[in-house]
Amino acid sequence: AQSVTQLGSHVSVSEGALVLLRCNYSSSVPPYLFWYVQYPNQGLQLLLKYTSAATLVKGINGFEAEFKKSETSFHLTKPSAHMSDAAEYFCAVSSGTALIFGKGTTLSVSS
Amino acid sequence: DGGITQSPKYLFRKEGQNVTLSCEQNLNHDAMYWYRQDPGQGLRLIYYSQIVNDFQKGDIAEGYSVSREKKESFPLTVTSAQKNPTAFYLCASSTTSGSRHEQYFGPGTRLTVT
Repeated sequence: AQSVTQLGSHVSVSEGALVLLRCNYSSSVPPYLFWYVQYPNQGLQLLLKYTSAATLVKGINGFEAEFKKSETSFHLTKPSAHMSDAAEYFCAVSSGTALIFGKGTTLSVSS
Repeated sequence: DGGITQSPKYLFRKEGQNVTLSCEQNLNHDAMYWYRQDPGQGLRLIYYSQIVNDFQKGDIAEGYSVSREKKESFPLTVTSAQKNPTAFYLCASSTTSGSRHEQYFGPGTRLTVT
């Protein structure tokens, strides 16, 4: 069975600092992995996805993630945080019929 | 513009009443999904449907019901049997081929039951 673990329910960074949000997955088959972002009281927006092509995936808003099979990880990074990046971020793995989500990481950005 | 609409944005009900949440999509997607979101719990799957007139239970289907009479619509009914219905409900859709794993989400409905 597939599962996702997001390490750290809350991450705080300063504006301009590196953003690193951690995600580890468990999957018995080659995984399809996703990062979504959610702003308060809104739906989820897809940031990026890994579908077995390039291991370094670039997404919207300057975010990228690297698929590391040996570490079963798919961490999300952004070189320089912006105030507008403050939101909740979800990592997800496909079960084949639906997505299985992690519990989310809230990113706070201070000036 | 293609997308998913959920209505209403906020919904208030008294305990013991059934309530139906609307979800409509014009993306021509075959599959639709309902998730429940609670603080610190992530998203949990309630029901999903991959084709009209067919649907399957997700992880937390007890106290909920759905129908899929049209490709575009997948309404969710929260029944009085749901013990803790206050939550944020998200509807999503996807294709069933190619990039079917990628889901598109609606804006959500926040249900408060008192």
